[in-house]
Amino acid sequence: SQTIHQWPATLVQPVGSPLSLECTVEGTSNPNLYWYRQAAGRGLQLLFYSIGIDQISSEVPQNLSASRPQDRQFILSSKKLLLSDSGFYLCAWSVLDSNQPQHFGDGTRLSIL
Amino acid sequence: EDQVTQSPEALRLQEGESSSLNCSYTVSGLRGLFWYRQDPGKGPEFLFTLYSAGEEKEKERLKATLTKKESFLHITAPKPEDSATYLCAAFTGGGNKLTFGTGTQLKVEL
Repeated sequence: SQTIHQWPATLVQPVGSPLSLECTVEGTSNPNLYWYRQAAGRGLQLLFYSIGIDQISSEVPQNLSASRPQDRQFILSSKKLLLSDSGFYLCAWSVLDSNQPQHFGDGTRLSIL
Repeated sequence: EDQVTQSPEALRLQEGESSSLNCSYTVSGLRGLFWYRQDPGKGPEFLFTLYSAGEEKEKERLKATLTKKESFLHITAPKPEDSATYLCAAFTGGGNKLTFGTGTQLKVEL
């Protein structure tokens, strides 16, 4: 069966520091991969999605970037964090080119001080 | 612009008190409607997919239905363990992207 792992679960970072969140998927090949941010009382906002290695689409202009160095690895990064980057970050995967649902990891709670 | 609206924002039920959650959508070319359950501090857990108007799916005390404009999640005789936030999302293709509603926070009390 397929599994998705995100780490760390919780992260507290100072303003201006760098960020790297990692997500890996097991048990499937060539998945679509996604990064979302969820703010309290708001829906999930899609940040990035990827249909293959080094193929990344950005949905909103922001202080973050994403990379996919391997088929089942997706990384969310920032060079300098802002207070507004605080939130709950979720990684998800789905079967490539289908109308099957997305499946989510357990998220990273990011607090910027 | 695709839009998904869920109501109510919050719902408190007594154990055994059945009710329905609503998900209204305005999207171009719906290819699927997904329901998820999200527990505090966790990622959304997939529940159902509905592909066409008139379709129904059931799982334990939950039943999801779909019309051309909205979807309902019916909860029959809920238990406290059904307490969670329920999210719906519309899938319109194009990179498998989803448009999410903001969710209904359900609390079931003894």
